[in-house]
Amino acid sequence: DAGITQSPRHKVTETGTPVTLRCHQTENHRYMYWYRQDPGHGLRLIHYSYGVKDTDKGEVSDGYSVSRSKTEDFLLTLESATSSQTSVYFCAASKSDTEAFFGQGTRLTVV
Amino acid sequence: RKEVEQDPGPFNVPEGATVAFNCTYSNSASQSFFWYRQDCRKEPKLLMSVYSSGNEDGRFTAQLNRASQYISLLIRDSKLSDSATYLCVGYSGAGSYQLTFGKGTKLSVIP
Repeated sequence: DAGITQSPRHKVTETGTPVTLRCHQTENHRYMYWYRQDPGHGLRLIHYSYGVKDTDKGEVSDGYSVSRSKTEDFLLTLESATSSQTSVYFCAASKSDTEAFFGQGTRLTVV
Repeated sequence: RKEVEQDPGPFNVPEGATVAFNCTYSNSASQSFFWYRQDCRKEPKLLMSVYSSGNEDGRFTAQLNRASQYISLLIRDSKLSDSATYLCVGYSGAGSYQLTFGKGTKLSVIP
């Protein structure tokens, strides 16, 4: 057990509604990451955090925001969900440039 | 150009075969590399780290060539259970610890 949990695991939401995904870790990892995975694109980095209140954009950050108020929690928010944000979202965490551990993923469907 | 590129496959090989995957990276400042394995609809899990001196773990061998900026994974005596998607991963940029994935290479081992 890598100590990374994501919630919810599955969600269906309507276009235009806000959605927040939560990633929680218990191993005091400094770095945390949010990815989305879509067929033909692999894992694409949305945002990442290198400490409490320290975050930066990844390659597909438009339409997403993040917050990290505590070491153990990294929240991903879709301010106004669109159908193009239907995807599988993975959270990961690492100490530094070492092995990253993943949560089990959140399957989000925007209808 | 994506920072980490790998052949998406699919690679269809018979049991017992040897198969090799390559991955190239564009950021010469990248320091740490890994191979992850991802089973269908599951989270990625670390297969092995990649070192310049080479890294062997049973039937698996990983190698980093910094001069040519590529990473390789060799699987010997393929098993049915090796069927999965293999992801090449690197930390981009000195100190930034932005974790970048290749799109993955799908392997199917056939009886």
